[in-house]
Amino acid sequence: NAGVTQTPKFQVLKTGQSMTLQCAQDMNHNSMYWYRQDPGMGLRLIYYSASEGTTDKGEVPNGYNVSRLNKREFSLRLESAAPSQTSVYFCASSEAYRGRTIYFGEGSWLTVV
Amino acid sequence: AQTVTQSQPEMSVQEAETVTLSCTYDTSESDYYLFWYKQPPSRQMILVIRQEAYKQQNATENRFSVNFQKAAKSFSLKISDSQLGDAAMYFCAYRSTSGTYKYIFGTGTRLKVLA
Repeated sequence: NAGVTQTPKFQVLKTGQSMTLQCAQDMNHNSMYWYRQDPGMGLRLIYYSASEGTTDKGEVPNGYNVSRLNKREFSLRLESAAPSQTSVYFCASSEAYRGRTIYFGEGSWLTVV
Repeated sequence: AQTVTQSQPEMSVQEAETVTLSCTYDTSESDYYLFWYKQPPSRQMILVIRQEAYKQQNATENRFSVNFQKAAKSFSLKISDSQLGDAAMYFCAYRSTSGTYKYIFGTGTRLKVLA
C-alpha cells in the first residue's frame, strides 16, 4: 500500500540552488497539498490543488511554485533556495468530498546552507 | 479565515493514567470537520479521530475520545489508559465542508508518557 510517496527524503542545498520535490499518490484522490513543518509552527500550508488542473496559494507560498502534473502527481519547486526554507516538507492528498481524511507522505527533510 | 489553536506545547502523563489535550478553533461556518492526528518520532502522520460538526455525539476510537463543544469552539482529545506508544506530537486540524477543502492545523502538543 504505497499511499503518498515523496522524493527525495533528504536533501542538502546551497543557498540559491533550485530543486523540485516530487509527490505521487495512488488513491485516486482529487486534492493534493504541500505543507512545511517547523518547530513551534505546526504544519503550514504552502500550496494546494483542489483538483487536477487547479492550484492555489496557501499560508506561506512565497519562494515556492507548484505543478499539478496529472491527477496522481503534485510537485513543489524551490527556484532559489534560502536558509529560511530549511524545513520538513509533507505532501498530502484527500478526496475533495466533505470531511474525507487527509493522507500524508513520510516527509522530506530539506536543509539549505 | 479559520484558525486552530493548541495552547499546550507539551504535556506529560503517567502510564495508565488519563490525559486531555486542548484545541480551540475559530470559524464562522456551521458545518465542518475536526480531526486529531498523531505524529510519532518517525514523522508519519496518523489519523487518531474525526468529528463531524453537525453530529452532537462525541467521537470515540478505543482509548481515544473527544469532547466537542460547538458553541465554545472547543475540541479536546482525551487519551485513557495512556501507553508508552502514545508518546508523540498531536495535531488538531479543521476542514471546511465548502470551497477550498483546505485543512488548517494547530501548532501541536508534544505528549510525553512516563513509565
